[in-house]
Amino acid sequence: DSGVTQTPKHLITATGQRVTLRCSPRSGDLSVYWYQQSLDQGLQFLIHYYNGEERAKGNILERFSAQQFPDLHSELNLSSLELGDSALYFCASSPTYGAGNTIYFGEGSWLTVV
Amino acid sequence: AQTVTQSQPEMSVQEAETVTLSCTYDTSESDYYLFWYKQPPSRQMILVIRQEAYKQQNATENRFSVNFQKAAKSFSLKISDSQLGDAAMYFCAYHLPSSGTYKYIFGTGTRLKVLA
Repeated sequence: DSGVTQTPKHLITATGQRVTLRCSPRSGDLSVYWYQQSLDQGLQFLIHYYNGEERAKGNILERFSAQQFPDLHSELNLSSLELGDSALYFCASSPTYGAGNTIYFGEGSWLTVV
Repeated sequence: AQTVTQSQPEMSVQEAETVTLSCTYDTSESDYYLFWYKQPPSRQMILVIRQEAYKQQNATENRFSVNFQKAAKSFSLKISDSQLGDAAMYFCAYHLPSSGTYKYIFGTGTRLKVLA
């Protein structure tokens, strides 16, 4: 158990809909990262938050947005969903900002768009 | 561009034997961190081993060790005494604290099969 909690674990939704994925980082971790892994693909970096502030953006679509709340949990919002958005979405956390820390992953949220 | 290359999409190893997974990366920075993560069929991402670029000594964790060649920008993972539970996707990753983006860049993965 990495200590990173993601909900929901599985989600099936229709095209055009909007979903929210939630992540609770490890206790004390200030950094949260979101990654997307499509079937049999590598991990694509989406976005990084540190202590409530956005620090880096990767290949995140405009239909996607994220935020980190004062209690440090984070949410990834996916809207106008398309079939191609079906993927495993990982949240990862680390203690500090840019110190070469190991990032620890949650179990991921499986999103299926039908 | 910051890239991580895993040139072996798939590898096989006999149980109890040794296998080496290769990884190369591209950066002009001198301060960075390298990681190997394992992703079993459950899809959970599990840290295997971590290496600081400023350390010359290769990291070791039980049956897992790395061969870090900084000049060649190579970071291979050696698994000794392979076990059935080692079967998984293995991802190499690196992190540049000085890049300003603080991203962790992952390779495309190597699928390891362990043969009984």
